[in-house]
Amino acid sequence: EVHLVESGGGLVQPGGSLRLSCAASGFTFSDFWMNWVRQAPGKGLECVAKIKQDGSQKDYVDSVRGRFTISRDNAKNSVYLQMNSLRAEDTAVYYCARDVPLSGRGGFDFWGPGTMVTVSS
Amino acid sequence: QSALTQPPSASGSPGQSVTISCTGTSSDVGAYNYVSWYQQHPGKAPKLMIYEVNKHPSGIPDRFSGSKSGNTASLTVSGLQAEDEADYYCSSFAGSNNLAVFGGGTKLTVL
Repeated sequence: EVHLVESGGGLVQPGGSLRLSCAASGFTFSDFWMNWVRQAPGKGLECVAKIKQDGSQKDYVDSVRGRFTISRDNAKNSVYLQMNSLRAEDTAVYYCARDVPLSGRGGFDFWGPGTMVTVSS
Repeated sequence: QSALTQPPSASGSPGQSVTISCTGTSSDVGAYNYVSWYQQHPGKAPKLMIYEVNKHPSGIPDRFSGSKSGNTASLTVSGLQAEDEADYYCSSFAGSNNLAVFGGGTKLTVL
């Protein structure tokens, strides 16, 4: 059974940093594109970053490019999101999501339960 | 402001059908057959209901169907059931940033 579990969220001051982790199990992790999707309180969904199976391609939404870095460790079946220079508008639940097989173009078939990131002084 | 446009609400009685629209542009919905639909119940993670316009993930009933015409995609829920009451989000691959973009969501109420 596929499982994704995020960790690393919490309360951080504006300008601070956090590193989110997502541990995957139940599938061949190295075969899939992985994504981070966030949802601000009471708002819609936003895909902020994605990474190719071997880590050779990474894409970011404009609002986080240069501040966030996505990475993965296929030996540990994990994907990460390093978030620097955090702003109040980054406050959201952050979900780890797996792309459908052979895609990389959306269609997130498994999601973790999410981890809350709150940016506030 | 979301990249894709959805109506904020939709409703129907049990057993009826309801269709939710999702309007994008020629750079996303109109350009690619990579439209997905997600169901989200309060406090839960989204659940994939349709991908690549009209494909069903394992375990998703045929009552949920997707289509696309030009820059507009649609999700139809047939034989409405109480448990279908949820928020529904569409998304599409967008070549501009190589990511999926989402609609603002539609709250489906089963009367």
